[in-house]
Parts: sequence; C-alpha cells; structure tokens
Amino acid sequence: GAVVSQHPSWVICKSGTSVKIECRSLDFQATTMFWYRQFPKQSLMLMATSNEGSKATYEQGVEKDKFLINHASLTLSTLTVTSAHPEDSSFYICSARDKGLAGALAKNIQYFGAGTRLSVL
Amino acid sequence: SQQGEEDPQALSIQEGENATMNCSYKTSINNLQWYRQNSGRGLVHLILIRSNEREKHSGRLRVTLDTSKKSSSLLITASRAADTASYFCATARNSGNTPLVFGKGTRLSVIA
Repeated sequence: GAVVSQHPSWVICKSGTSVKIECRSLDFQATTMFWYRQFPKQSLMLMATSNEGSKATYEQGVEKDKFLINHASLTLSTLTVTSAHPEDSSFYICSARDKGLAGALAKNIQYFGAGTRLSVL
Repeated sequence: SQQGEEDPQALSIQEGENATMNCSYKTSINNLQWYRQNSGRGLVHLILIRSNEREKHSGRLRVTLDTSKKSSSLLITASRAADTASYFCATARNSGNTPLVFGKGTRLSVIA
C-alpha cells in the first residue's frame, strides 16, 4: 500500500517550453501533497505544499508563476514548470500524506514518488 | 530552510559492520523521522520517533533521540551492500499536516 506514482521519470526539453509533472497517490487519498527540488548530492528543498481544492502554499523564494501547481483531486497533483530554462534543470520529487490513516503521527509520514529528472537544453 | 544537519556527510564501511549516522536540529519538534534514498530515486520512510521517546528499534535499525541536545542517531547493524544509499533525517514541529524539514543527508557506501 501507500504507493505514489510520479510521471515522467525523466524529461528533456528545450529552453522556453513548459513541462508538466504528475504525482498520483495510487491506493490512498491525499488532501496534501508536497513538491520538492533536489540538486545533486544535496538535500530536498520544499518548494510548495499542494492542497486539494485550494491554492498551493509556496515557500519563500519559489516563484508561483514559474512553478504552477494544481491539485484537482484527492489523488492527483501536477507541477508545471513554465518557460523552463537550463537553471531549472533538477530532480523534482513529490510526496503525499494518507488522509485515511488514523492518528496525527501516522498522517505525518510522507510517501514519495520516484522523482522526475528534468534537463533543460 | 534546512533545519537538520547530518554527520558524517559520507560514510564508507565494510559489509557486516555497523553504520552510525547523526542528525542535529535547531527548533522544538513533535517527531523526527529517518528516510532512505537510493540514487536518483524517491525517499522511503524508515522509522519515526516521537519527541517523548528516547529510543526505537525496527529490524536492524536503531534510532535514538536526545531532545536536550536536539540530536538523533540512526544505527544500522550488520550492514549489507544493499544498505548503500543516502539517509536523511526529517523533523516536524507539529503532528499532522505540517511540512517536514529535511537534513542534508549522509551518503552511506557499504562495500561487499
């Protein structure tokens, strides 16, 4: 159980194009999903918190018009990198919390997708 | 902002040896978690320890928490080559719907 599917796993695009990354919880419902960015050999940097049915909460320094997040259902959140540039090349990872789990601590555990490696030429 | 700091940043050991990784954090927490990441993959949750717990075990994993020193350690006993990965601690200020803050991670290499 608790599987999060992230697609695509790897994308190469030209500078100026937009790229959409999908994050799906396959066997549970997630009112909250998180989007992270990770540079090589570095830790995860939280970009935004995606809330089902409402606007995402972005971390300081993350451009909301650059990184569009949509969480239209309890099982799907998407991150669109608009007008991508080479500096946007990175590893993007999503995670989700299972709203159905009993106990606040259980809800605090995050289930991660396998990540998307974005290369912008 | 990153709160946790792991040390060492990189650790290389022989198969069968124990691996100890440490994590320090700055603010008060509700719980602390350890995650594992294989190269180029997502993270996998390993273990959660509450702020009122001092030690927890799960299989070959042993986690300690010292809230007075704001530090935690992860011990992997009898390591295997398959344990090679990066290990991150993550802290949560509150239970429930708050983001986790991840440390910088320890890259563990277990040599067969």
